[in-house]
Amino acid sequence: DAEITQSPRHKITETGRQVTLACHQTWNHNNMFWYRQDLGHGLRLIHYSYGVQDTNKGEVSDGYSVSRSNTEDLPLTLESAASSQTSVYFCASSEGTGPRLGMNTEAFFGQGTRLTVV
Amino acid sequence: AQSVTQPDIHITVSEGASLELRCNYSYGATPYLFWYVQSPGQGLQLLLKYFSGDTLVQGIKGFEAEFKRSQSSFNLRKPSVHWSDAAEYFCAVGELWGSARQLTFGSGTQLTVLP
Repeated sequence: DAEITQSPRHKITETGRQVTLACHQTWNHNNMFWYRQDLGHGLRLIHYSYGVQDTNKGEVSDGYSVSRSNTEDLPLTLESAASSQTSVYFCASSEGTGPRLGMNTEAFFGQGTRLTVV
Repeated sequence: AQSVTQPDIHITVSEGASLELRCNYSYGATPYLFWYVQSPGQGLQLLLKYFSGDTLVQGIKGFEAEFKRSQSSFNLRKPSVHWSDAAEYFCAVGELWGSARQLTFGSGTQLTVLP
């Protein structure tokens, strides 16, 4: 069965270190998204991609970067981890192309990565 | 920019009781609306979605939601709650934001089910 997986599931890192969170989907979806989940804020969009070599900033992109070299993967990099980036991170993917994509198609979510920056 | 409000942070109901979770949105055009559920330690799973047509939509696990344009609401309901429904529920709206198309989520409602 197709799926979307995140790794690691849990990570503890030190302030100032570079950290990369992996996201891999086998749905062959064009669209991939990274969200962070914090108490009282729901899910907030960090970065998103609508295809290979396409990346875009979301609502809370400062301190994060992504790259899309193939359809299956969208790794999220924290350039210099800060305590404010302690959060649960979710990757998602959805199908569809064109101007309405991502609005009328279901997004499938990974199980999340709990990141603690100490 | 649009917004999604879930006014209830936490709701507690007894097993077998009915449930209604509130969601209000702010969006100029016809919205694309979703309800997701998140069980502890898990990702989000789609319960149901509304794009157009019948304003009462049926979802998985016995849930339904009604779109009311006049009230800008998309409340989630279930006639009889099961203990396994204890989870966090998120309302979301699909947004066209410049050239960006993505989901905006509410802050969630935590549901506790008493035996």
